[in-house]
Order: sequence, then C-alpha cells, then structure tokens
Amino acid sequence: DAGVIQSPRHEVTEMGQEVTLRCKPISGHNSLFWYRQTMMRGLELLIYFNNNVPIDDSGMPEDRFSAKMPNASFSTLKIQPSEPRDSAVYFCASSWQGNTIYFGEGSWLTVV
Amino acid sequence: GNSVTQMEGPVTLSEEAFLTINCTYTATGYPSLFWYVQYPGEGLQLLLKATKADDKGSNKGFEATYRKETTSFHLEKGSVQVSDSAVYFCALMSNQAGTALIFGKGTTLSVSS
Repeated sequence: DAGVIQSPRHEVTEMGQEVTLRCKPISGHNSLFWYRQTMMRGLELLIYFNNNVPIDDSGMPEDRFSAKMPNASFSTLKIQPSEPRDSAVYFCASSWQGNTIYFGEGSWLTVV
Repeated sequence: GNSVTQMEGPVTLSEEAFLTINCTYTATGYPSLFWYVQYPGEGLQLLLKATKADDKGSNKGFEATYRKETTSFHLEKGSVQVSDSAVYFCALMSNQAGTALIFGKGTTLSVSS
C-alpha cells in the first residue's frame, strides 16, 4: 500500500520566493496533519484537517503560511514570501478516525 | 494543556547495552501514548503504542509500559544494536477522535560497535 506521499522531497529556493509543498494522504484516511521539524524547536504541529476542514491552525507561524485541502486526497502548504528561517523539514501525516498517524518522508526546504 | 517531556540526548551506548529513554506526559483524561523513531534522512515511523493504563507496547525488541500513576511511558530495550541509532520521539494523542499528536523534543541514540 502507498504511504503518505509528499513532494518535493528537497527544495532550495531564494528568499522571497513562493514555496508550495504537496501531500497525498493514505487513501481512506480522514485526518491530515502538517508538522515542521527544526533543530531548535523539534516537531511542531502547524495545522490539521478532519474531513478536509481545518480544525486547528494555531501552530501556523504567521500569515505567510497557508494550507488548503481541496479534497480528501490532496493538501498543500504554501509559504509566500519565504524567508531563511523557514528552512526546515515539513512533514505531512494522515490517520483514520483518530487511529495511528502515519508520516510521509518529509519535504526538506532550504531558503537561501 | 497536553505536553510531553523526554530526556535530553544524545544517548551514547555500546552495542548490546541496555537502553532506557525516559518520557513523562501531562494530559487531561486518558491519552494514547506512542514512540516514533526517525532514522537519518528519513521520516517518522511508528515504533510502538499503548492506548490505556498498564498496556505494554512492544516492537523490534523495544518495550514501553503506560504508567498512569507516574504519567510515564519509558522506552526500553535489553540489548541495542548499531542499527538502532536514530532519534526517538515520545508522543501523546488525546482520546478525542481526530486530534493531533503532541511530541517530545526527541532523544538521539548513538550505538557504537
């Protein structure tokens, strides 16, 4: 079975550019999560969706970050404009009905 | 609010040594508890979990017991291998359906031969 699929796996971009990270959750899962991992702050929950509806976005750092889930099989996390402090690994994860949460392999973002 | 505290690393052990990584939590109600492992350059993988008090989760020689009286979920392994070198994350999820995992800061384990 396919797991959570994220793209791109690696991205290097210049400060000020727009970054779009994509996620395809496991088929049938109804919850989707975006996490950010940095050395300084560890794993932080940015936002999560249940049944495509955003439930808690209190972890989104600022207005430069936005996330959408237009349907059950796709979500995006967008940063516009990007800044060097946004450099991190961004993980998408999904689950069904509050059961085990499965993670993708991450998108490794570097903003120079 | 809910939170997880795990021991600071790095933990450095020789092969076949006994491993303990401490994890304590603060939560209302009866959360589920998890250990995830992250190998270098990879995402997080579920290692084991326990959903109620006194449950023991186990996988690949690792064990952790859900202790409600001490609000702990310590990870143990009797004999570590070099291939166990990774970052280990303790996490909890509240008992409300569709809520997110809350993670500890992670403990880096380095095992040498």
